[in-house]
Amino acid sequence: GIQVEQSPPDLILQEGANSTLRCNFSDSVNNLQWFHQNPWGQLINLFYIPSGTKQNGRLSATTVATERYSLLYISSSQTTDSGVYFCAVNPLYGGATNKLIFGTGTLLAVQP
Amino acid sequence: EAGVAQSPRYKIIEKRQSVAFWCNPISGHATLYWYQQILGQGPKLLIQFQNNGVVDDSQLPKDRFSAERLKGVDSTLKIQPAKLEDSAVYLCASSWGENTEAFFGQGTRLTVV
Repeated sequence: GIQVEQSPPDLILQEGANSTLRCNFSDSVNNLQWFHQNPWGQLINLFYIPSGTKQNGRLSATTVATERYSLLYISSSQTTDSGVYFCAVNPLYGGATNKLIFGTGTLLAVQP
Repeated sequence: EAGVAQSPRYKIIEKRQSVAFWCNPISGHATLYWYQQILGQGPKLLIQFQNNGVVDDSQLPKDRFSAERLKGVDSTLKIQPAKLEDSAVYLCASSWGENTEAFFGQGTRLTVV
């Protein structure tokens, strides 16, 4: 089945710093989502981005479907950005085309 | 627009007991998912419904887990009997259709002692 790998696995930032999180997937996908899981466990939708670039405030995301990766940019990080960031994909082929499969996650800690 | 509702938020049970979780998806969403998230890992899909039919339950431990979605709206996930390794957060999500944006509830944190 499709493999979804995220990097880095852990990241510590000082407040105000910028960062880039990466999501690599091993096969073609129908769509891709980025989520932020806050310390209380809630999965918050950040982007629904099968391809192209989107921006929402300090966050932006780019998916290059032909090269099988997506990037999440966080600028001017704040302590409230702390948590785990997941990407999740719907595979285009195979028996899992309707499944939403999660990546390995990036644990981000933003220090004041 | 109301989000995905789940209850209870927390549950502590002894091993071999049974437990049930409830999910109410976003109004109009045909696809409903149940995920299990063990501490330190990403969510793992247990079962997926399209309306009231099962699309995928290949990773559902059917000897102890069951799920239903009556009338294509609310859903319940049951564990009977529970094991220690079932301790996890159980997440419900819904989407308008297959391969569309999914939205998650707050989850139910289950501790089996």
